[in-house]
Amino acid sequence: AQSVTQLDSHVSVSEGTPVLLRCNYSSSYSPSLFWYVQHPNKGLQLLLKYTSAATLVKGINGFEAEFKKSETSFHLTKPSAHMSDAAEYFCVVSLYGQNFVFGPGTRLSVLP
Amino acid sequence: DAGVIQSPRHEVTEMGQEVTLRCKPISGHNSLFWYRQTMMRGLELLIYFNNNVPIDDSGMPEDRFSAKMPNASFSTLKIQPSEPRDSAVYFCASTPLWPAYNEQFFGPGTRLTVL
Repeated sequence: AQSVTQLDSHVSVSEGTPVLLRCNYSSSYSPSLFWYVQHPNKGLQLLLKYTSAATLVKGINGFEAEFKKSETSFHLTKPSAHMSDAAEYFCVVSLYGQNFVFGPGTRLSVLP
Repeated sequence: DAGVIQSPRHEVTEMGQEVTLRCKPISGHNSLFWYRQTMMRGLELLIYFNNNVPIDDSGMPEDRFSAKMPNASFSTLKIQPSEPRDSAVYFCASTPLWPAYNEQFFGPGTRLTVL
């Protein structure tokens, strides 16, 4: 069975400072991993995905994530937070394009 | 491509009424998922289909909920009778079965309020 843990339910950063949202997963096989963002009262938008190619994945809006198999982690980072980054972020693990398992989400607040 | 289309975008109904939510997946996508999102329970998978066939409906809360996919371009989620605790945002998502590492593409959601 697969599972996803997002270690922080809420992260607060100041505008212009780095963002780190943590995600750990459990999977018996080589999974695909995704980060989605959900702005208030909006749908879910894909930020980036890992599909067994390069371990450092670049996404939209300056976000990137690094797949570390030894640590079973897929943390999301951004060098400099912007006010528009304030949203809910979901880490997702999938096996063979099925069984998409969502983490509980991390709410990111960006302070001016 | 228009993306995943859901209708209606908002639905307000009274307890006991039947509610039907609709979803049109992206053309060529042969997996379709229904999710429910609430503040209390977060994002929950209700059911998913592969090639119009229900594969896993273990997330469907109870018999009041039913889902169908009569063809590759249309799915419905029905609640009968509706209750106030069904109030939530319902999302539909689709993905192609191959290649197997594709992400899900989400619709904008239907916000259901049951009074």
